[in-house]
Amino acid sequence: NAGVTQTPKFRILKIGQSMTLQCAQDMNHNYMYWYRQDPGMGLKLIYYSVGAGITDKGEVPNGYNVSRSTTEDFPLRLELAAPSQTSVYFCASSYKESGNQPQHFGDGTRLSIL
Amino acid sequence: DAKTTQPPSMDCAEGRAANLPCNHSTISGNEYVYWYRQIHSQGPQYIIHGLKNNETNEMASLIITEDRKSSTLILPHATLRDTAVYYCIVRGTQGGSEKLVFGKGTKLTVNP
Repeated sequence: NAGVTQTPKFRILKIGQSMTLQCAQDMNHNYMYWYRQDPGMGLKLIYYSVGAGITDKGEVPNGYNVSRSTTEDFPLRLELAAPSQTSVYFCASSYKESGNQPQHFGDGTRLSIL
Repeated sequence: DAKTTQPPSMDCAEGRAANLPCNHSTISGNEYVYWYRQIHSQGPQYIIHGLKNNETNEMASLIITEDRKSSTLILPHATLRDTAVYYCIVRGTQGGSEKLVFGKGTKLTVNP
């Protein structure tokens, strides 16, 4: 069972470069999320989506963009990479938004900005 | 900010039960208690959740106090592979519930 798949697993960027972190889920979940995790810290929500065509900001959206053209995919875009965006990025999905549906996470993308 | 308080670290002997406490004194009536764990550098793994009643699944048991202000995650027979950071999270059913607020969690070390 694939679940939530994130690519790439690792990436090194130079300051000012751009890239897209890919996230795909095969569970027909309508909710999807992007989190970042800095060393020794908990996860912080960047963006989330409640369905195709609908996205909204989380607590740390600056420097990122997202789109949700299909139910399965939720890419995260960094336009001008900065050292502060060095982090581990996790994508998650859930079937529907209620207090009774757990989020399922991918294995993360480790991004370094040099 | 996280709405839960957990000890930063705990140790447990292999084969013994690991009891991880969590305080959530400001929990409201429609908020669930969720537990996740994160094994070194992997994505968070869902363990269990509950609203009022105690819950048990193949991974763990969740004991919620009657006033719902605290809970305990129980790993009945801890193994070395259970060494991880365990996160206790409260999560509502609507309006503002679109995110999991992760605190720093409890670092559980299972010793041989």
